[in-house]
Order: sequence, then structure tokens, then C-alpha cells
Amino acid sequence: DQQVKQNSPSLSVQEGRISILNCDYTNSMFDYFLWYKKYPAEGPTFLISISSIKDKNEDGRFTVFLNKSAKHLSLHIVPSQPGDSAVYFCAASARNSGNTPLVFGKGTRLSVIA
Amino acid sequence: DVKVTQSSRYLVKRTGEKVFLECVQDMDHENMFWYRQDPGLGLRLIYFSYDVKMKEKGDIPEGYSVSREKKERFSLILESASTNQTSMYLCASSLFASGSYEQYFGPGTRLTVT
Repeated sequence: DQQVKQNSPSLSVQEGRISILNCDYTNSMFDYFLWYKKYPAEGPTFLISISSIKDKNEDGRFTVFLNKSAKHLSLHIVPSQPGDSAVYFCAASARNSGNTPLVFGKGTRLSVIA
Repeated sequence: DVKVTQSSRYLVKRTGEKVFLECVQDMDHENMFWYRQDPGLGLRLIYFSYDVKMKEKGDIPEGYSVSREKKERFSLILESASTNQTSMYLCASSLFASGSYEQYFGPGTRLTVT
């Protein structure tokens, strides 16, 4: 059973507009969330994270929002640039559950069209 | 900067061959991971290790084994490669597996089994 779900396999956005990538989770023990970006033929790179004690974290053009009651988080990219075209993975962690690996979603492929 | 290196970027092997994928990290991380990435399936955890000589099964360990004789090195072994093991293999390391410190990924090995 998928604990972290990214229901949109792909997303297409015009350059300069906002990209919104969504992620839902089912495990209420998750208390730390991360977004990774992956280009073809490269390993994923860490983008931004958020702890469950916050509802928003911002880093430049990237903002992650967390809605704990809905078990939902989203990544906003504003403005979107062609170089943002990549696969984005949402990941979650239950830090109080001992030494367990991150749980990843299946990813969303973002295409930013010039 | 954390560096995770993988022994090969591209590898072609024949069915039935024994395959070794090597991963080395230079940040003295306790935890190391092997994933495979396939289209539409995201990142699936094969094995992970919390410490030298320790290993834990991930979600899809069948057909794979691992070895961790030194802290910085984590090897993935395909005892008898099969065509359904054609995939992108990604190694990662982290300070704490629970993800309060993010996982750092290597560049990946694209393995083709013919």
C-alpha cells in the first residue's frame, strides 16, 4: 500500500507561470517531508524540506506547503523556468519511529515550456 | 560537499551473469541505500544498511544481495542477472536513515541485461 502518493504522473506548465506539484500521505507518523528533483541519467538531488511543526517553508523560487489535517503537501515553483523540467519526488519520514528509510512517491514529471 | 560515487554509469551484462554494483560515500555516513528506478514505479528500495556488516531488506530484495564490509562502501550484487533487472540503480547515503538529514544520491548506474 502506497504511503506517499503523487497522483499526477506529469505536469506541463508555461515558462514564467507557477508550477504546483502535489503529494498525499497516509501515515500519520510522518513528521518530516522532502522534495527531490531528478534529471535523466542523474541521481536525485535534495530540493527543499519541511518539518511537521511548520506549514510553509520557502527557498527562493521554491515553497513547500504542508496541510497536516489533510495529509497533503505541495511544492510551488514560481516563476517556472525551462531548467526546472525534471521528475520531482516527494518523500516522507517518521523520525520518531526509529531508524527507517525515507518513503518516496512515484514522482511527477514536470515539463516547463518556453 | 557530500559525494556519493558509483562504479559505473552504464553497464551491459548477459542473462545469468553475476553483477557487482559498487557505491562509495565520503562523508562518514552510517546509512547507505540501494534503489532502483523504473518508469511509472518511482524509487523502490532494494536494501539498506545502518552500519558495517549490517543489512536490512527493502521493498524488493528478491534477486539481490548486498555487502558492507567498510563504512564508506556498499555493494549491490545480482547473483544471476535477469532481463527484468534492467533498470537505473541508485545508491544513497545519509547521516540518519529517518531522514532528518536528507539522503544524498549517487549519479546512478544504468544496467541493461540482455
